[in-house]
Amino acid sequence: KAGVTQTPRYLIKTRGQQVTLSCSPISGHRSVSWYQQTPGQGLQFLFEYFSETQRNKGNFPGRFSGRQFSNSRSEMNVSTLELGDSALYLCASSAMPGTSTDTQYFGPGTRLTVL
Amino acid sequence: QKEVEQDPGPLSVPEGAIVSLNCTYSNSAFQYFMWYRQYSRKGPELLMYTYSSGNKEDGRFTAQVDKSSKYISLFIRDSQPSDSATYLCAMSGGSSNTGKLIFGQGTTLQVKP
Repeated sequence: KAGVTQTPRYLIKTRGQQVTLSCSPISGHRSVSWYQQTPGQGLQFLFEYFSETQRNKGNFPGRFSGRQFSNSRSEMNVSTLELGDSALYLCASSAMPGTSTDTQYFGPGTRLTVL
Repeated sequence: QKEVEQDPGPLSVPEGAIVSLNCTYSNSAFQYFMWYRQYSRKGPELLMYTYSSGNKEDGRFTAQVDKSSKYISLFIRDSQPSDSATYLCAMSGGSSNTGKLIFGQGTTLQVKP
C-alpha cells in the first residue's frame, strides 16, 4: 500500500508570496492532519480534516489555511509568507479522525524556504 | 512549560547497547502514546502506539507508559547503527478524541559501530 505523498518536496519562496502544499493520504484513509516542524519549536499541529471539514485547528495565524477534497486529498495554503514560515510541513493521515482507533502516518514533508 | 518534555540529547551509544528514551508530560488527559523515528530529511515513522498504562513490545523495541507518574519510555535492545535517528514521543487524548498530537522535542540518537 502506498504511503502518504506530499508535493512538492521542496519550495523556495520570497517574503510576501503565498504557497500551496498538497497531500494525498494513504488509500482508504479519510482523515488528514498537518504539522509544522522547525528546529526551535519542533513539531506543531496546524489542523485536522475529516470529510472535507476542519475538526481542529492549532495556534497559528489566519495566514495558514487548509481544505480537504471529497477524495480525502488535502491542501494547505500560507499567504503573505514570512521568514519564520521556513519549515518542514508534514502531512499525516489516519483511517478515522482522533487517535482512539488508530494513529497517524506521516508523509516525507515539504521543505519550505522563505527568503 | 511545555506539555511534553523530552531530553534532546544528543545521545551516543556503542552498537549493541540498550537505549532508554524518555518523555514526561503534564496533561493527565493524555491517553494515547506514540513513538516515532525520524531520519534526517524524512518524515516521522511510527514505531509504537500504546493506549493508557502498561508495556508493549515489538521486536527490539519496548514502550512503557506510567500514567501515574506521567512518564513514558522507549527501550531499544541490541542497538544498531541503523537506529541512529531522532526519536519523537507524541501523545493525545481527552474527551474530544482529537487527532491533534503533542510532540516532544525529539532525542537525537547516534549508535556507533
